[in-house]
Amino acid sequence: AQTVTQSQPEMSVQEAETVTLSCTYDTSESDYYLFWYKQPPSRQMILVIRQEAYKQQNATENRFSVNFQKAAKSFSLKISDSQLGDAAMYFCASASTSGTYKYIFGTGTRLKVLA
Amino acid sequence: ETGVTQTPRHLVMGMTNKKSLKCEQHLGHNAMYWYKQSAKKPLELMFVYSLEERVENNSVPSRFSPECPNSSHLFLHLHTLQPEDSALYLCASSQGLYASYNEQFFGPGTRLTVL
Repeated sequence: AQTVTQSQPEMSVQEAETVTLSCTYDTSESDYYLFWYKQPPSRQMILVIRQEAYKQQNATENRFSVNFQKAAKSFSLKISDSQLGDAAMYFCASASTSGTYKYIFGTGTRLKVLA
Repeated sequence: ETGVTQTPRHLVMGMTNKKSLKCEQHLGHNAMYWYKQSAKKPLELMFVYSLEERVENNSVPSRFSPECPNSSHLFLHLHTLQPEDSALYLCASSQGLYASYNEQFFGPGTRLTVL
């Protein structure tokens, strides 16, 4: 079965500092994609960053980067120079590329940014 | 209107009521989804529609009945719900279904409370 685990229900970071959110996953698929989504308070969930499993290079999007460890099935999100607007729920997700639809989300990590 | 919209944003209903949630996407996407978001639980995929055909039904109770009249609109009809059905119901769309790298675009959700 495909699973996504986020073991940190809540994290805090000082403004301008760096924080890392953890995610582990399990899948029997050989080809898959991993995602981090952000859900700000009372606002829509949006995609932050995505990683293709067959690519060894870690994805980066401005202040957001991932540490993808395929053998360990780990996919952490690093936020550099944290800003107040980064405060949100962050969801890790995986999606397979096989014929059946499998898009699995974790339980989320609430990130607080302290001024 | 842009992106994915959902109405109503908030809904309170009794267990004997019948109500409907509406979702509309203005992105020209072919796939639409209903998710249930409960506190401290993973996002639960309920239904998936591709080109107006239901392709996934994750063992959702029959008191939830989806309808997809066209590729831009998705409804969730609610009937004789239980208090444990109280949650945030999210609609999402994506460009295609089996292209798993596709980003999911989410609506703001409907906060449902069942009394």
